[in-house]
Amino acid sequence: GQQLNQSPQSMFIQEGEDVSMNCTSSSIFNTWLWYKQDPGEGPVLLIALYKAGELTSNGRLTAQFGITRKDSFLNISASIPSDVGIYFCAGQASGGTSYGKLTFGQGTILTVHP
Amino acid sequence: DAGITQSPRHKVTETGTPVTLRCHQTENHRYMYWYRQDPGHGLRLIHYSYGVKDTDKGEVSDGYSVSRSKTEDFLLTLESATSSQTSVYFCAINRLAGMNTGELFFGEGSRLTVL
Repeated sequence: GQQLNQSPQSMFIQEGEDVSMNCTSSSIFNTWLWYKQDPGEGPVLLIALYKAGELTSNGRLTAQFGITRKDSFLNISASIPSDVGIYFCAGQASGGTSYGKLTFGQGTILTVHP
Repeated sequence: DAGITQSPRHKVTETGTPVTLRCHQTENHRYMYWYRQDPGHGLRLIHYSYGVKDTDKGEVSDGYSVSRSKTEDFLLTLESATSSQTSVYFCAINRLAGMNTGELFFGEGSRLTVL
């Protein structure tokens, strides 16, 4: 099946620092999404991207849909302790039968030290 | 709150026993999904449904079956559980289905341990 390579696998940062993570694929995706998962809970959607080259922000989060359609990155500015969690990228292929059939990256575990 | 309830939230069972996980939604969404989450693999799609009695296989469907006899319930069954099926299982709905957005809302998960 398709593979998404997400990096880094884990990050240990100080509060206030900026964070950057990215995701690359061997296949083209029509939609890129970024989710965050807190312990014991399901993933929660942070940002969805629909067009190649698109740059979208959600508060301190900024994500971009790569021009080649094979990559995406997520930046978090001025990190705070509640940013701790696992961040997942996910891609969705095009076509009507692809609704919600997401391919996920392995996740980036973020730890923020106060 | 999207109104997804998964049950049971935790289950320990023995190899070879049947297990059924239930996903219940209260918002009448057409599309529902079952994913499993394992360390190092992210989430992987097991089965999905695009309506009552309409289901299809995902990436890792071997050893699993599903049923959707009514809109609000999507059941995942392990006919004979194996240790490799120890995982956290997430149900999800697609609130914007029809717009091909992929924006899924996930339940809180069901942690299954097969001894």
